[in-house]
Amino acid sequence: GENVEQHPSTLSVQEGDSAVIKCTYSDSASNYFPWYKQELGKRPQLIIDIRSNVGEKKDQRIAVTLNKTAKHFSLHITETQPEDSAVYFCAASRPNYGQNFVFGPGTRLSVLP
Amino acid sequence: ETGVTQTPRHLVMGMTNKKSLKCEQHLGHNAMYWYKQSAKKPLELMFVYNFKEQTENNSVPSRFSPECPNSSHLFLHLHTLQPEDSALYLCASSQQGAGNQPQHFGDGTRLSIL
Repeated sequence: GENVEQHPSTLSVQEGDSAVIKCTYSDSASNYFPWYKQELGKRPQLIIDIRSNVGEKKDQRIAVTLNKTAKHFSLHITETQPEDSAVYFCAASRPNYGQNFVFGPGTRLSVLP
Repeated sequence: ETGVTQTPRHLVMGMTNKKSLKCEQHLGHNAMYWYKQSAKKPLELMFVYNFKEQTENNSVPSRFSPECPNSSHLFLHLHTLQPEDSALYLCASSQQGAGNQPQHFGDGTRLSIL
């Protein structure tokens, strides 16, 4: 079955710096990769996603890159702000199981003022 | 966003109690999911319902019993739970049949087993 690894598990950056979180997946059939942000005590919320037919997608300060050959994808946050502090989860689709996902274990990002 | 609503937000119960968690989605989606979120663990998919039919049960113990009376409502019936079942239980919904679509989560029920 699909296995999704995520690194690092914790990340601290200074406000204004960039943050990068990397995920790897095992199922070459995976074709959709969403990223979720979960603030303390709140629900996971979709922040960006990418499909396997593109290599990069950007939305303001957030970007995601996908390398299908190497089976890894990354989240890039530029000009980090304190409100970016949260746990970030990557996920990979399981095409043989409908539209279900396997989630990574999460990265706790702390943006220091 | 109030698209997916879960009740109650917090629940404390003894191991011999019976309780139910409720989830309601107002997004017109046709698939609903239950996840378990424990500290320092990935989100664990428990059950999937497509068009009210259960399509996946990820080896969940029988003390958890899901019910999906229609595409908008999902329940998780709890009975004789164990302390290790204490966790945040998240409900999500999505639109199946239109290619890969993101799942939208509720705020979760924080469950504590005494």
